[in-house]
Amino acid sequence: AQKITQTQPGMFVQEKEAVTLDCTYDTSDQSYGLFWYKQPSSGEMIFLIYQGSYDEQNATEGRYSLNFQKARKSANLVISASQLGDSAMYFCAMKGDTGRRALTFGSGTRLQVQP
Amino acid sequence: ETGVTQTPRHLVMGMTNKKSLKCEQHLGHNAMYWYKQSAKKPLELMFVYSLEERVENNSVPSRFSPECPNSSHLFLHLHTLQPEDSALYLCASSQDRVITAGDTQYFGPGTRLTVL
Repeated sequence: AQKITQTQPGMFVQEKEAVTLDCTYDTSDQSYGLFWYKQPSSGEMIFLIYQGSYDEQNATEGRYSLNFQKARKSANLVISASQLGDSAMYFCAMKGDTGRRALTFGSGTRLQVQP
Repeated sequence: ETGVTQTPRHLVMGMTNKKSLKCEQHLGHNAMYWYKQSAKKPLELMFVYSLEERVENNSVPSRFSPECPNSSHLFLHLHTLQPEDSALYLCASSQDRVITAGDTQYFGPGTRLTVL
């Protein structure tokens, strides 16, 4: 079984500052993938970044980076230079390599960027 | 059209109605998914299709009936729903590359369903 825990229901950040959204996971799979998605109030789930369990370097995509600490089972999302448009729900998710296609999602963190 | 599209975006229906949700992906993917997102609950996988064959079904009530006529289209037929079925229904697609952990799912904008 897989489990994703996001302990921050809500976060505030000032525009242009960096923010870290926490995600811890639990799995018995040897190989797995970790994903972050952004969900604005419109509802669409937007893929942001992916980290494979065997990737040696932390993933980066523009202003998004994933701080992957395998021993601690954490995969925190770092957003640099926050923008007002970053205000949204952020979900951490994972998928193992066991044959099941389902993503396991956390409960999400609501980020509000203040001017 | 690009990405994953869903229609309608909003739907209000009575418990005796029959309606269908439509999803179309323009990414050339092989797998398509239905997820349900209820208030204050994590996303729940409902169904998965790979190359038009249903490969996963997560104990979903029979009042939800999926259909996948081809790898680009996915439907969710609804009948005699309950008020607790009100939720955001999200469709997703992925390449389905030999079931690797890195097979990214791309989502549509969702259909917000209200059952009266």
